[in-house]
Amino acid sequence: EPEVTQTPSHQVTQMGQEVILRCVPISNHLYFYWYRQILGQKVEFLVSFYNNEISEKSEIFDDQFSVERPDGSNFTLKIRSTKLEDSAMYFCASSELDSDNEQFFGPGTRLTVL
Amino acid sequence: GENVEQHPSTLSVQEGDSAVIKCTYSDSASNYFPWYKQELGKRPQLIIDIRSNVGEKKDQRIAVTLNKTAKHFSLHITETQPEDSAVYFCAASKNRADYKLSFGAGTTVTVRA
Repeated sequence: EPEVTQTPSHQVTQMGQEVILRCVPISNHLYFYWYRQILGQKVEFLVSFYNNEISEKSEIFDDQFSVERPDGSNFTLKIRSTKLEDSAMYFCASSELDSDNEQFFGPGTRLTVL
Repeated sequence: GENVEQHPSTLSVQEGDSAVIKCTYSDSASNYFPWYKQELGKRPQLIIDIRSNVGEKKDQRIAVTLNKTAKHFSLHITETQPEDSAVYFCAASKNRADYKLSFGAGTTVTVRA
């Protein structure tokens, strides 16, 4: 069964550094999402992406964040200047064109900002 | 925006008993309600979902009910087993392919052997 994959599984960075989190959505899916989960808290929506454009973003997704689909398979989340409070598990998800919004999640990247 | 409340935050049940988790939502336009199971350190996995055109859906030992008038929905797990121990999240969304999921805070279910 196809799955969403994410790399790396764990990223440790210094405050102020840039990080890029990578995702490979399921191949026939056209809608992509990033969510984050701070330890022990609920999963929070960051951004949705379709047809090479952001569809919607939350108030968390400020100017420090950007997303990109650099090629036909990868979907990336960039944080330009990381802060301590960016430490969280970041999940990528994808859904089909006519899926009625059934979203499939990747395994997550644990980001630790020191 | 949508606000999803979930109760209880923790639930401990004896193996074989039933577990019930309840969620409420605020946006009457929401019409898609999935439930995700997340084991420790793993990805959230969809276990069942319900759309607003039905009031109840069942899949083996799990069932979900929806009351659109009251804006609440519930997950029922019968004959619980140790492998049901996990964190369960409810979510609400509009039934549209590009729409975000708004999650509840999660319920940690522990099934005692």
